[in-house]
Amino acid sequence: AQSVTQLGSHVSVSEGALVLLRCNYSSSVPPYLFWYVQYPNQGLQLLLKYTTGATLVKGINGFEAEFKKSETSFHLTKPSAHMSDAAEYFCAVGGNTGGFKTIFGAGTRLFVKA
Amino acid sequence: EAGVTQFPSHSVIEKGQTVTLRCDPISGHDNLYWYRRVMGKEIKFLLHFVKESKQDESGMPNNRFLAERTGGTYSTLKVQPAELEDSGVYFCASSPNWNTGELFFGEGSRLTVL
Repeated sequence: AQSVTQLGSHVSVSEGALVLLRCNYSSSVPPYLFWYVQYPNQGLQLLLKYTTGATLVKGINGFEAEFKKSETSFHLTKPSAHMSDAAEYFCAVGGNTGGFKTIFGAGTRLFVKA
Repeated sequence: EAGVTQFPSHSVIEKGQTVTLRCDPISGHDNLYWYRRVMGKEIKFLLHFVKESKQDESGMPNNRFLAERTGGTYSTLKVQPAELEDSGVYFCASSPNWNTGELFFGEGSRLTVL
Protein backbone atom coordinates (compact mmCIF):
# COMPACT_ATOMS: atom_id res chain seq x y z
CA ALA A 1 0.00 0.00 0.00
CA GLN A 2 1.06 3.56 -0.60
CA SER A 3 0.18 6.82 1.13
CA VAL A 4 1.30 10.42 1.36
CA THR A 5 1.22 12.87 4.23
CA GLN A 6 1.75 16.56 3.66
CA LEU A 7 2.52 18.47 6.82
CA GLY A 8 0.65 21.73 6.93
CA SER A 9 -2.39 22.51 4.85
CA HIS A 10 -1.30 26.16 4.65
CA VAL A 11 2.15 27.70 4.56
CA SER A 12 2.84 31.42 4.45
CA VAL A 13 6.20 32.96 3.56
CA SER A 14 7.45 36.42 2.70
CA GLU A 15 8.62 37.20 -0.80
CA GLY A 16 12.29 36.31 -1.05
CA ALA A 17 12.17 33.84 1.84
CA LEU A 18 12.86 30.13 1.70
CA VAL A 19 9.98 27.89 0.73
CA LEU A 20 9.80 24.48 2.44
CA LEU A 21 6.84 22.19 1.89
CA ARG A 22 6.99 18.88 3.71
CA CYS A 23 5.99 15.49 2.39
CA ASN A 24 6.35 12.02 3.88
CA TYR A 25 5.35 8.88 2.07
CA SER A 26 4.77 5.21 2.66
CA SER A 27 5.34 2.63 -0.05
CA SER A 28 5.70 -1.14 -0.19
CA VAL A 29 7.66 -0.94 -3.44
CA PRO A 30 10.43 1.39 -4.64
CA PRO A 31 8.61 4.70 -4.88
CA TYR A 32 8.24 7.14 -7.68
CA LEU A 33 7.71 10.56 -6.08
CA PHE A 34 6.16 13.67 -7.55
CA TRP A 35 5.29 17.24 -6.77
CA TYR A 36 2.44 18.82 -8.69
CA VAL A 37 1.28 22.44 -8.53
CA GLN A 38 -2.17 23.85 -9.12
CA TYR A 39 -2.55 27.53 -9.88
CA PRO A 40 -6.01 29.11 -9.56
CA ASN A 41 -8.46 27.95 -12.21
CA GLN A 42 -5.94 25.58 -13.76
CA GLY A 43 -5.29 21.86 -13.72
CA LEU A 44 -2.43 20.28 -11.82
CA GLN A 45 0.93 20.38 -13.54
CA LEU A 46 4.06 18.44 -12.79
CA LEU A 47 6.79 20.38 -10.95
CA LEU A 48 9.32 17.57 -10.62
CA LYS A 49 9.64 13.84 -10.14
CA TYR A 50 12.00 11.28 -8.67
CA THR A 51 12.20 7.80 -10.15
CA THR A 52 15.71 6.42 -9.66
CA GLY A 53 19.25 7.76 -9.52
CA ALA A 54 20.15 11.18 -8.14
CA THR A 55 18.20 11.90 -4.98
CA LEU A 56 18.18 15.67 -5.44
CA VAL A 57 15.74 16.49 -8.18
CA LYS A 58 15.39 19.87 -9.84
CA GLY A 59 12.13 21.03 -11.32
CA ILE A 60 10.59 24.01 -13.00
CA ASN A 61 10.49 27.54 -11.58
CA GLY A 62 13.51 27.01 -9.32
CA PHE A 63 11.98 24.28 -7.16
CA GLU A 64 13.83 21.20 -6.05
CA ALA A 65 13.17 18.20 -3.82
CA GLU A 66 15.34 15.62 -2.14
CA PHE A 67 14.45 11.97 -1.77
CA LYS A 68 15.52 10.69 1.65
CA LYS A 69 14.79 7.00 1.91
CA SER A 70 15.79 6.72 5.57
CA GLU A 71 13.31 9.44 6.48
CA THR A 72 10.69 8.44 3.87
CA SER A 73 10.55 12.10 2.91
CA PHE A 74 10.44 14.15 -0.27
CA HIS A 75 10.33 17.77 0.84
CA LEU A 76 9.99 20.56 -1.71
CA THR A 77 12.16 23.67 -1.45
CA LYS A 78 12.84 26.91 -3.24
CA PRO A 79 15.51 29.32 -2.00
CA SER A 80 13.59 32.52 -2.67
CA ALA A 81 9.82 32.77 -2.92
CA HIS A 82 8.17 34.84 -5.60
CA MET A 83 4.64 36.16 -5.59
CA SER A 84 3.87 33.96 -8.58
CA ASP A 85 4.61 30.85 -6.48
CA ALA A 86 1.34 31.27 -4.62
CA ALA A 87 -0.59 28.11 -5.44
CA GLU A 88 -1.54 24.72 -4.04
CA TYR A 89 1.12 22.03 -4.07
CA PHE A 90 0.49 18.29 -4.05
CA CYS A 91 2.96 15.56 -3.21
CA ALA A 92 2.29 12.18 -4.78
CA VAL A 93 3.71 8.66 -4.73
CA GLY A 94 3.47 5.91 -7.29
CA GLY A 95 5.12 2.61 -7.96
CA ASN A 96 4.84 -0.60 -9.82
CA THR A 97 2.56 -2.69 -7.62
CA GLY A 98 1.44 -4.89 -10.47
CA GLY A 99 -0.27 -1.88 -11.90
CA PHE A 100 0.62 1.76 -11.43
CA LYS A 101 -1.50 4.10 -9.37
CA THR A 102 -0.47 7.60 -8.32
CA ILE A 103 -1.56 8.47 -4.78
CA PHE A 104 -1.85 12.12 -3.81
CA GLY A 105 -1.58 13.98 -0.55
CA ALA A 106 -4.11 16.50 0.70
CA GLY A 107 -2.18 19.48 -0.65
CA THR A 108 -0.46 22.48 0.86
CA ARG A 109 -1.57 25.96 -0.07
CA LEU A 110 1.34 28.37 -0.28
CA PHE A 111 0.76 32.06 0.44
CA VAL A 112 3.47 34.59 -0.45
CA LYS A 113 3.41 37.94 1.32
CA ALA A 114 4.85 41.06 -0.23
CA GLU B 1 -1.27 20.77 -28.84
CA ALA B 2 -4.54 20.75 -26.93
CA GLY B 3 -4.40 19.71 -23.29
CA VAL B 4 -6.86 17.62 -21.33
CA THR B 5 -10.28 19.20 -21.48
CA GLN B 6 -13.18 18.60 -19.14
CA PHE B 7 -16.82 19.53 -19.39
CA PRO B 8 -18.71 20.99 -17.65
CA SER B 9 -16.45 23.11 -15.50
CA HIS B 10 -19.18 23.41 -12.89
CA SER B 11 -22.44 21.55 -12.38
CA VAL B 12 -25.07 22.13 -9.71
CA ILE B 13 -27.74 19.44 -9.37
CA GLU B 14 -30.21 18.23 -6.80
CA LYS B 15 -29.90 15.01 -4.88
CA GLY B 16 -31.29 12.16 -6.94
CA GLN B 17 -30.53 13.70 -10.30
CA THR B 18 -28.03 12.42 -12.83
CA VAL B 19 -24.87 14.13 -14.02
CA THR B 20 -22.44 13.14 -16.74
CA LEU B 21 -18.93 14.53 -16.79
CA ARG B 22 -16.81 14.36 -19.91
CA CYS B 23 -13.07 14.24 -20.40
CA ASP B 24 -11.11 14.57 -23.64
CA PRO B 25 -7.54 13.41 -23.09
CA ILE B 26 -4.49 14.61 -24.97
CA SER B 27 -4.50 13.06 -28.43
CA GLY B 28 -2.53 9.83 -28.51
CA HIS B 29 -2.63 9.25 -24.76
CA ASP B 30 -3.85 5.71 -24.21
CA ASN B 31 -4.05 6.10 -20.43
CA LEU B 32 -6.91 8.04 -18.90
CA TYR B 33 -7.55 8.51 -15.19
CA TRP B 34 -10.35 9.90 -13.09
CA TYR B 35 -9.65 11.39 -9.67
CA ARG B 36 -11.88 13.18 -7.17
CA ARG B 37 -11.15 15.77 -4.51
CA VAL B 38 -13.72 16.29 -1.80
CA MET B 39 -13.74 19.35 0.49
CA GLY B 40 -10.03 20.18 0.32
CA LYS B 41 -8.94 16.64 1.16
CA GLU B 42 -6.58 14.46 -0.81
CA ILE B 43 -7.08 13.83 -4.49
CA LYS B 44 -8.42 10.28 -4.59
CA PHE B 45 -7.98 7.84 -7.44
CA LEU B 46 -11.19 6.58 -9.01
CA LEU B 47 -10.16 4.56 -12.04
CA HIS B 48 -7.73 4.05 -14.88
CA PHE B 49 -8.46 3.25 -18.52
CA VAL B 50 -5.98 1.88 -21.00
CA LYS B 51 -7.55 2.67 -24.32
CA GLU B 52 -11.15 1.50 -23.89
CA SER B 53 -10.45 -1.06 -21.17
CA LYS B 54 -10.76 -0.47 -17.45
CA GLN B 55 -7.33 -1.29 -16.05
CA ASP B 56 -8.12 -0.47 -12.44
CA GLU B 57 -11.45 0.68 -11.03
CA SER B 58 -10.67 0.01 -7.40
CA GLY B 59 -11.33 3.60 -6.39
CA MET B 60 -14.89 3.85 -7.66
CA PRO B 61 -17.02 4.59 -4.57
CA ASN B 62 -20.10 2.51 -5.43
CA ASN B 63 -22.31 1.39 -8.28
CA ARG B 64 -23.86 4.83 -8.68
CA PHE B 65 -20.72 5.77 -10.59
CA LEU B 66 -20.26 4.54 -14.15
CA ALA B 67 -17.25 5.37 -16.29
CA GLU B 68 -16.96 4.64 -19.98
CA ARG B 69 -14.41 5.21 -22.68
CA THR B 70 -15.93 3.99 -25.89
CA GLY B 71 -13.48 3.85 -28.77
CA GLY B 72 -10.58 4.67 -26.49
CA THR B 73 -10.87 8.42 -26.99
CA TYR B 74 -12.96 10.57 -24.67
CA SER B 75 -14.38 9.31 -21.40
CA THR B 76 -17.55 9.99 -19.47
CA LEU B 77 -18.23 9.61 -15.78
CA LYS B 78 -21.89 9.34 -14.87
CA VAL B 79 -23.25 9.68 -11.37
CA GLN B 80 -26.77 8.31 -11.01
CA PRO B 81 -28.50 9.07 -8.71
CA ALA B 82 -26.31 11.76 -7.17
CA GLU B 83 -25.99 12.05 -3.40
CA LEU B 84 -24.79 14.97 -1.27
CA GLU B 85 -21.46 13.28 -0.55
CA ASP B 86 -20.67 13.15 -4.27
CA SER B 87 -19.96 16.87 -4.26
CA GLY B 88 -16.37 17.69 -5.10
CA VAL B 89 -14.00 18.35 -7.94
CA TYR B 90 -13.56 15.57 -10.46
CA PHE B 91 -10.24 15.60 -12.23
CA CYS B 92 -9.36 13.79 -15.39
CA ALA B 93 -5.76 13.09 -16.35
CA SER B 94 -4.08 11.36 -19.25
CA SER B 95 -0.68 9.90 -19.88
CA PRO B 96 1.14 8.28 -22.81
CA ASN B 97 2.74 5.69 -20.52
CA TRP B 98 1.14 3.84 -17.61
CA ASN B 99 4.33 3.17 -15.70
CA THR B 100 5.94 6.57 -15.32
CA GLY B 101 3.41 8.28 -13.12
CA GLU B 102 3.53 11.58 -15.00
CA LEU B 103 -0.03 12.73 -15.44
CA PHE B 104 -1.44 15.57 -17.50
CA PHE B 105 -4.49 17.02 -15.79
CA GLY B 106 -7.56 18.85 -16.93
CA GLU B 107 -8.92 21.80 -14.97
CA GLY B 108 -11.50 19.67 -13.24
CA SER B 109 -15.29 19.57 -13.09
CA ARG B 110 -16.76 20.93 -9.89
CA LEU B 111 -19.92 19.06 -8.89
CA THR B 112 -22.27 20.48 -6.29
CA VAL B 113 -25.15 18.28 -5.14
CA LEU B 114 -27.87 20.12 -3.20
